Amino acid sequence: GAGVSQTPSNKVTEKGKYVELRCDPISGHTALYWYRQSLGQGPEFLIYFQGTGAADDSGLPNDRFFAVRPEGSVSTLKIQRTERGDSAVYLCASSLRPGQPGYQETQYFGPGTRLLVL
Amino acid sequence: AQKITQTQPGMFVQEKEAVTLDCTYDTSDPSYGLFWYKQPSSGEMIFLIYQGSYDQQNATEGRYSLNFQKARKSANLVISASQLGDSAMYFCAMRGNTGGFKTIFGAGTRLFVKA
Repeated sequence: GAGVSQTPSNKVTEKGKYVELRCDPISGHTALYWYRQSLGQGPEFLIYFQGTGAADDSGLPNDRFFAVRPEGSVSTLKIQRTERGDSAVYLCASSLRPGQPGYQETQYFGPGTRLLVL
Repeated sequence: AQKITQTQPGMFVQEKEAVTLDCTYDTSDPSYGLFWYKQPSSGEMIFLIYQGSYDQQNATEGRYSLNFQKARKSANLVISASQLGDSAMYFCAMRGNTGGFKTIFGAGTRLFVKA
């Protein structure tokens, strides 16, 4: 089946603009994660959804960042008033929930969206 | 607070030899999971291996094994019979099993496999 997809693959924007990054998880995966990976670093946790609700948003750096998952599948990460420091690769991952048939201890990552804020 | 430390920014290994990538962690969670991921230059994150904190035996997946030493809080990845395609970034990660599914990643180790 199809893996996790993310759009756009690249996004260039100007400082102060608003951007939306989309994640389409693997069908049936109830858990969804957003990470940010800066150059030369490991992924940094942003937010975790279980179904439609954000079960853990402790990684969002400030109130300019917001994420939604209104129907429990596709998620959108929204960044307001972008800053140059927001430039990074934004990774999305999905997994089944523990207890769901077929659950495995791993997250399946998408290819990422490379965001460049000029 | 949870923390993952990977002290080797880069490692070289000769093709067909084994290599160990170091990972130490810190957590107050009594139950947790440890992961290793591979990230080639193309950018995708590829799951390699998982170790639960209560697993009695070290995890193995093909050429990958995890040397889990709970008392030392270390979870080193061993790659046997290295191949040129193993050249990539390798990330150690941890997820506490209480209080949510937040996963913490280390800074990574870049592995270079020489022909």
